[in-house]
Parts: sequence; structure tokens; C-alpha cells
Amino acid sequence: DAGITQSPRYKITETGRQVTLMCHQTWSHSYMFWYRQDLGHGLRLIYYSAAADITDKGEVPDGYVVSRSKTENFPLTLESATRSQTSVYFCASSEFRGFYEQYFGPGTRLTVT
Amino acid sequence: AQKVTQAQTEISVVEKEDVTLDCVYETRDTTYYLFWYKQPPSGELVFLIRRNSFDEQNEISGRYSWNFQKSTSSFNFTITASQVVDSAVYFCALSEAETSGSRLTFGEGTQLTVNP
Repeated sequence: DAGITQSPRYKITETGRQVTLMCHQTWSHSYMFWYRQDLGHGLRLIYYSAAADITDKGEVPDGYVVSRSKTENFPLTLESATRSQTSVYFCASSEFRGFYEQYFGPGTRLTVT
Repeated sequence: AQKVTQAQTEISVVEKEDVTLDCVYETRDTTYYLFWYKQPPSGELVFLIRRNSFDEQNEISGRYSWNFQKSTSSFNFTITASQVVDSAVYFCALSEAETSGSRLTFGEGTQLTVNP
């Protein structure tokens, strides 16, 4: 399927477990982003990547790890999940720099118990 | 630091009413970009418009229009003759080309409910 996909769409995990959220885009966009959406905070940037093997922190990076070995994939790992990481996570991509429109995936709803 | 404020948390209107969603931003850059995104109840985020800081022309797309005023640091969004399908959360966002390059800062969103 063309576009940007995320998996899983829903995930329940326990505190302390490692969780990886997957993001895949078929447009060959250079830039990819991870956001979390929480009530009262809108969307906040966790990490972003300008190209394969280039990543940088966003506003709320603590507790998260990213990698980008291939242009089309940008997985987000919660190394040791905490209840405060319960959120909806959105992946996005952009053809050029971030000030071009970003196209979002459908989101992953993560619950940490 | 860049900041976006959407003071209206929730707005409720009756179908066919016009509604304006406010967005006020803060930035020290002279080159920046403003966006509006729509998030319907299904949850996905849909890009609506991008505006750069050098283009203050208002834009109209069907029932949607945007009013960008640098003097008041505002980028307001108006829906004319609202419809039930317009019910969604609308986000305004800002990206500074010079300072934060690739970062979009979102406002907290405005929940619009259009009642039949």
C-alpha cells in the first residue's frame, strides 16, 4: 500500500517491558518524525530523522530510542515502558525539511499497565 | 522558542453557521511556516494548508478560508456554512525555518462540533 503505515495499531504492554512501534513509508521521503498525542498537550515531537542514519531529539525524547537504517523505516523503541508513556503515537514523513507539509500515519494507541 | 496558542478548546455550532478557529503564534524567526491540520473522529491527521511568512495573502479553498496577519501573529481558519462532516479537532502548527528547521510545534487543538 502506498503512503505511511504504522504497526501495531493498538498495543497493551506492562511497565518495564521493551516495546517497538514500527513506521514505514513508501514515498521515499527524506524526513521522518515521531510524535505523541496526549490530552492537554496536543502533539509533541519525540524524535526526527533527516535521512538514513541521521536522527535528532525533539521536545520529549527521554525514554525513547530511534534508528533509521533504511529511508523507508523509522522504528521507535520504548526501552522500559512506563505508565506515563501511555499515549497515541504518530509517525509522519516529509519530502523536504520539516517546514514542508508532513503526512501522518494512522497512529498507534499504546497502553502501559 | 516557538509557540502556538489555540485559545478555543471547544466550539459547538449548528450546521450552516460560519465558524472561525483562532491561532496565535510566537516566533523570533523572520522565515517561518504555518500549518493547519484536521483530525476527524477516526483519528488520522489530515494536512489542510501551509503558509510561509512572506505570503500574507488570504487563501480560500471551497468552504475553507485562512486569514494570515503578521501584525497580530495570527493565522485564523474560517469554515463557511459548516457541515456535520467538519466535526473534528483542528490543529494549528508552526515551523521556524532558521531556528528549529525541521520541528513542527502544534497548538493544543480546537474541538469543533457541528450539530445538525
